[in-house]
Amino acid sequence: QSVLTQPPSVSGAPGQRVTISCTGSSSNIGAGYDVHWYQQLPGTAPKLLIYGNSNRPSGVPDRFSGSKSGTSASLAITGLQAEDEADYYCQSYDSSLSGLYVFGTGTKVTVL
Amino acid sequence: QVQLQESGPGLVKPSQTLSLTCTVSGGSISSGDYYWSWIRQPPGKGLEWIGYIYYSGSTYYNPSLKSRVTISVDTSKNQFSLKLSSVTAADTAVYYCARTILRNDAFDIWGQGTMVTVSS
Repeated sequence: QSVLTQPPSVSGAPGQRVTISCTGSSSNIGAGYDVHWYQQLPGTAPKLLIYGNSNRPSGVPDRFSGSKSGTSASLAITGLQAEDEADYYCQSYDSSLSGLYVFGTGTKVTVL
Repeated sequence: QVQLQESGPGLVKPSQTLSLTCTVSGGSISSGDYYWSWIRQPPGKGLEWIGYIYYSGSTYYNPSLKSRVTISVDTSKNQFSLKLSSVTAADTAVYYCARTILRNDAFDIWGQGTMVTVSS
């Protein structure tokens, strides 16, 4: 029942830059609500990576950056490293009956 | 620092009630700056928010689960709990508890998760 759409997978060689899109609608991202991003390493709980569209919690490398425009948001990873191979999810608030908090469909990042 | 830990049965029979507890350590569940949420993830699938509770007892549930969900809080034990009734195989998932920042709705601290299988 995800209302935020992400590409199923993206890949890149070590050192490259990859971006993950998160497309929503006028009831969530387009309504001005913040977008947050999570990294889920295999077999572990998600970890907050970006909050408030573009802010990094303490300890998150500055290789990770977020942005938002209109009804979409993006996560960029520059200088891709092997340890970045994980699933990434966007999340926002939704004012429709879809549910208060909604997650993206998730994107698997593969480091070639 | 604040840590969350889920606990409860790993196997529930169909039509029964799933019950889980999240214990908060290193901080008070009565902090007015946070909601306390439950989130689940079916095997190989994405994340689904179930609902949250405020320390005062106020709750909000995902409309798709609202008729089956109850979240409660015990501030004296620094715990909050989830009950999901009339479970089916579709409720098989890893269940996470998470702290939700009231100011911006981000889930900043997560428990390690607990796998719950619905099977006879």
